[in-house]
This record gives sequence, C-alpha cells and structure tokens, in this order.
Amino acid sequence: GAVVSQHPSRVICKSGTSVKIECRSLDFQATTMFWYRQFPKKSLMLMATSNEGSKATYEQGVEKDKFLINHASLTLSTLTVTSAHPEDSSFYICSARRPGAGANVLTFGAGSRLTVL
Amino acid sequence: AQSVTQLGSHVSVSEGALVLLRCNYSSSVPPYLFWYVQYPNQGLQLLLKYTSAATLVKGINGFEAEFKKSETSFHLTKPSAHMSDAAEYFCAVSDWSTGNQFYFGTGTSLTVIP
Repeated sequence: GAVVSQHPSRVICKSGTSVKIECRSLDFQATTMFWYRQFPKKSLMLMATSNEGSKATYEQGVEKDKFLINHASLTLSTLTVTSAHPEDSSFYICSARRPGAGANVLTFGAGSRLTVL
Repeated sequence: AQSVTQLGSHVSVSEGALVLLRCNYSSSVPPYLFWYVQYPNQGLQLLLKYTSAATLVKGINGFEAEFKKSETSFHLTKPSAHMSDAAEYFCAVSDWSTGNQFYFGTGTSLTVIP
C-alpha cells in the first residue's frame, strides 16, 4: 500500500533556529502533498497544500514566510519552520494523495513532533 | 463551506460493548466522508471511506459507518469494543468543490474499560 514517510519523528531545537521536516512518498508519486499542524487534544489544521514544481498554497492565517514549503520532486516535500519559537512547538503531519486507484484518499505520515526550547 | 462536527470529545465504553462515535457534516455538494484513527504520537490511519457508492461502509478492524443524507451524518460503529480500539478518531469531509481538500472534525478520544 501507499506509504508516506516523515523525518525526523522528533526534533528539539533552540528558539531562533530553523528546522526542516521532510515528507516522502515511498512507493508512489505525489503531485500534491498537504501539511497539517495538530495541537494537543485538537484536530488537524490544514496549513498548506504543497504542489510539485510550483508555489505552495497556504491557508488563511498561516505565515508563508514562517513556514516555508518546498516540493522539489514528485516524492519529496519539505516544511521548514524558520526562526522557531516555543509557540511553534507542535505535531506536524504531512499527507499525500496517491493518483489513480484510491484517489481522494489521503495517506498520512507518522508525524513530526517539534519542541522549541 | 465544508465542515465536520464530532459530538463528544471523549467516549468511554466497556470492553465488548458497542462503540458509537458521532459525526455530522456540512457540505454544499455531495461529500466524500472518511474516518481516520490516530494512536499516540502517530499519524492517521484510514478506517473507512464513503465515496457515493454503498451507504453502509465497512472498514478495517470491524468498524463500519452509515452515510445518512437526510441526517447529514456518518456515525462510526463497532459491535464489540476491544482494548486495542482505544485511540483518537477523526471524521473528515472533502469534495471536489474545494479541490478535494480535507476538513477534519475535532476528534473523539475513545477509552475502552476492561
């Protein structure tokens, strides 16, 4: 089945540094990937839609200069949290839609927990 | 606009009892509906989906859900709860009018009491 891999699963960084999270589709090509943020005991908030070869589409209220998204290939999207601060600490989850059979079903990565000290 | 409401942020059932997790949706066009399960510190795993075929959908781990257009509901059920069912459950809606973006409910935490 479709597999989406996220790395790292956990990261701790100092305030003011930048952190990159990778999302890879391992056995399929994903022209579109989605980045979500999940707060404790809360639902998933769609941050942005990552489009291969073009700029990401950000949801209202999400700072595109703060959360840089790059989708350089059909199997890799990256989320960079720039100048991270403690309020950026969260669980970040990516997902991808495999084209063809099973379309409109999202496959999720295992998530990346970011802690900013 | 599309949205999902999950009634009850916490549900507790005894092992072997019926599981019922409620989900109501709002969509201006025929929706696609999904239930996902999330275990601690993990991503989401698809339980089942409704994509305009049969209204009663069977998923993995003995779960099923019924699409009721008149009630705009897509409740998740399982006849007999197992300890391993304890997790967070999310209902989601998407449709073509929003570019097939997914919108999630706030989740229901299921506790199974031995």
